[in-house]
Amino acid sequence: KAGVTQTPRYLIKTRGQQVTLSCSPISGHRSVSWYQQTPGQGLQFLFEYFSETQRNKGNFPGRFSGRQFSNSRSEMNVSTLELGDSALYLCASSLVAGAAGNTIYFGEGSWLTVV
Amino acid sequence: QKEVEQDPGPLSVPEGAIVSLNCTYSNSAFQYFMWYRQYSRKGPELLMYTYSSGNKEDGRFTAQVDKSSKYISLFIRDSQPSDSATYLCAMRKGNMLTFGGGTRLMVKP
Repeated sequence: KAGVTQTPRYLIKTRGQQVTLSCSPISGHRSVSWYQQTPGQGLQFLFEYFSETQRNKGNFPGRFSGRQFSNSRSEMNVSTLELGDSALYLCASSLVAGAAGNTIYFGEGSWLTVV
Repeated sequence: QKEVEQDPGPLSVPEGAIVSLNCTYSNSAFQYFMWYRQYSRKGPELLMYTYSSGNKEDGRFTAQVDKSSKYISLFIRDSQPSDSATYLCAMRKGNMLTFGGGTRLMVKP
């Protein structure tokens, strides 16, 4: 069974540009979440999607946005990139949202460097 | 103060040692508790998942939760060099995870 797939794995962008990252959840999983990981702040929750609807949002500026498609695949977008956006962006998928036995699995992440 | 506190380490132990990793948390709303292992430049890998106070064992790993003290632990028996990684505790409320900062573990042959 394939795991969570994220593309691209590595990318370099210039300040002011925008970037779109893609995530394909585990087959059958309908909930997708995004996290940002930096050395200083650790792993922080960005947002969660379930059935194409954003259910929760973390404490990030509006430059960070996402969406989910009918096949559960998800994209996140960061506009007007800043140097501080350099991070590992992780996608996580789970079968349903919030259920007791719900385990959350992570992809390998997309490494974004802003120069 | 962070909702989840975790000693960053690094923690260096000889091969075969028993390793104890710990986290404390302040939010009573956290319902479920997880431990993830993360190798360098890789995504977090789920190791253990618990939702009640007590112990849960899986091979060389034992997860312990004490909700009254808001304290969770992960024990690794017979540690191996391949266990060298960063270990992250995570607390779940709804479908949102709050992570500790991670403890870097080094197991020396």
